[in-house]
Amino acid sequence: QSALTQPASVSGSPGQSITISCTGTSSDFGGYNHVSWYQLQPGKAPELLIFDVSNRPSGVSNRFSGSKSGNTASLTISGLQAEDEADYYCSSYTSSNTVFGGGTKLTVL
Amino acid sequence: QLQLQESGPGLVKPSETLSLTCIVSSGSISSSRYYWGWIRQPPGKGLEWIGNMYYSGNTYYNPSLKSRVTISGDTSKSQFFLKLSSVTAADTAVYYCARGTISCSCDDYWGQGILVTVSS
Repeated sequence: QSALTQPASVSGSPGQSITISCTGTSSDFGGYNHVSWYQLQPGKAPELLIFDVSNRPSGVSNRFSGSKSGNTASLTISGLQAEDEADYYCSSYTSSNTVFGGGTKLTVL
Repeated sequence: QLQLQESGPGLVKPSETLSLTCIVSSGSISSSRYYWGWIRQPPGKGLEWIGNMYYSGNTYYNPSLKSRVTISGDTSKSQFFLKLSSVTAADTAVYYCARGTISCSCDDYWGQGILVTVSS
């Protein structure tokens, strides 16, 4: 199973919105909607931002939203803040296996 | 608040077995609602799923690591374990343990991670 494809980097200015894509094959996503997004920041435990394509866990800012169309899932961050600078990873669960995307580094200008 | 903490040696020799423990605080690993897993991140690279363990006793592993990986648990101690045999330098990584929720197959609690270097 190959990694899901994400852009290596994206950037945006405070207050702007950015979108990170996550592209796979139909077998990567299967018939499930178990697409998740994670935020990794140095010195902190990774945080689940989105599960099941578009659901936010309790406590996650509503500035984070997820969607999926065909074989591409997307994470949108609106109202960018300096604290959003981090690495973001998508993942998909199918047939008892999990595959991650290659990760996207978000720089807040 | 559930907390997970990885522990184990930070240096392992090539061809030996990497052994890590995940200590789960303020929670039990015996719930049927959750699974317990390991993920790693080699330096400068992305996340790689290693495998998951379920309360039923079932385990599932990344096909690329399956022949070398064992994940097990001790419910009495609220700990679960990773063993990776025949390690090479390519196994050098930050290793994370995580709790997953079965209903979403998503990892909702993670440890801080532990760097394990494979070197003689």
